[in-house]
Amino acid sequence: EIVLTQSPATLSLSPGERATLSCRASQSVGSYLAWYQQKPGQPPRLLIYDASNRATGIPARFSGSGSGTDFSLTIASLEPEDFAVYYCQQRSNWPPTFGGGTKVEIK
Amino acid sequence: EVQLVESGGGLVQPGGSLRLSCAASGISFSSSWMHWVRQAPGKGLVWVSRINNDGSGTTYADSVKGRFTISRDNAKNTLYLQMNSLRAEDTAVYYCARGSGAGILEFFDYWGQGTLVTVSS
Repeated sequence: EIVLTQSPATLSLSPGERATLSCRASQSVGSYLAWYQQKPGQPPRLLIYDASNRATGIPARFSGSGSGTDFSLTIASLEPEDFAVYYCQQRSNWPPTFGGGTKVEIK
Repeated sequence: EVQLVESGGGLVQPGGSLRLSCAASGISFSSSWMHWVRQAPGKGLVWVSRINNDGSGTTYADSVKGRFTISRDNAKNTLYLQMNSLRAEDTAVYYCARGSGAGILEFFDYWGQGTLVTVSS
């Protein structure tokens, strides 16, 4: 199965700063990569699908890029509600797999 | 408004069984491929199972194959997960999620709130 490695594990930033999260796949997934945000006690929320497409209702400060094995999620200017855990997920090969997550915490 | 509402979780002894349900509204359920994804306490997300829109095709993670059965009732807009021979490592919050996107696999655009399954003696 495809292993997704997210880095860093934890990102400590202040509101207003730019966040860049990385997701690396053990083999090419093309553009079939999604990003989710999860807050404590809540289900994941889809942010980005197919590497760079924002899901419905997702603010423009969230953007995704990459293809093949290297992907990034960028939050242009962190809002207080953006502090959460972020997961990537591939849908290129069976089974669908998720990365281990990056926690974005308040510095 | 889309709603996926899971139920049926609880405490069960090792070797026991449980059936989870996921009631859907606000989506075209009979056209949707549906999934179960689980999350152990403090851990990441793990895909469990998928069922196609009419229930004729199912797929499972190796860790649950032969023990879990996914099914659906399109007349009731409800997804199910029958879990047998439960193990401690099955302890997790179980989410139902809708699959979306063209291709052999999907991303998950709608998620339920989850139901907690605890396997312990």
